[in-house]
Amino acid sequence: EVQLVESGGGLVQPGGSLRLSCAASGFIFSDYWMSWVRQAPGKGLEWVANIKHDGSEKHYVDSVEGRFTISRDKAKKSLYLQMNSLRAEDTAVYYCARATGYSYAFDSWGQGTLVSVSS
Amino acid sequence: DIQLTQSPSSLSASVGDRVTITCRATQSISTYLNWYQQKPGKAPKLLIYVASSLHSGVPSRFSGSGSGTDFTLTISSLQPEDFATYYCQQTYSSPLTFGGGTKVEIK
Repeated sequence: EVQLVESGGGLVQPGGSLRLSCAASGFIFSDYWMSWVRQAPGKGLEWVANIKHDGSEKHYVDSVEGRFTISRDKAKKSLYLQMNSLRAEDTAVYYCARATGYSYAFDSWGQGTLVSVSS
Repeated sequence: DIQLTQSPSSLSASVGDRVTITCRATQSISTYLNWYQQKPGKAPKLLIYVASSLHSGVPSRFSGSGSGTDFTLTISSLQPEDFATYYCQQTYSSPLTFGGGTKVEIK
């Protein structure tokens, strides 16, 4: 069974940093593109970043470019999101998601981890 | 960036109704359009990928159609468990984007 389990969320002050983790199991982690998607309270879904199966290619939404870094560890079967210079507008539930096949649709999602940025 | 506009943003329907949600892209995305269902407090679930392919385990009352810029998600006979918010997503080009969502409520 495919499982994605996020951790690392919490309350942080504006300008602070946080590192999210996503532990993958039940599939060959190194075969898939992976993404982070966030959802602000009461709002819609926003794609944040993705990374190629071998880590050689990364993409970000403009609003986090230069502040967030996506990475992955094949041996630990884990996906990460390093978030620096956090702002109030980064407050959201952050999901990791697996992209499938040629369509890159997100066929598996974690349960999400809440990041709150507030003083 | 490719913007996706969903309509309506919300709708009220009864069990057994046929429901149609549309998603329009600001430029052609071929068939790189996916649909998700999300219930409160839960992660989204994939329903339809590449516009019209039904994801494994999804009931056949869900269907998708379209190509280019105009897409449709149809629920042929609404069931109690289908009351949720639905999102379209394009995976044609980065940044990947989602539509604003359509909330399907009980009439």
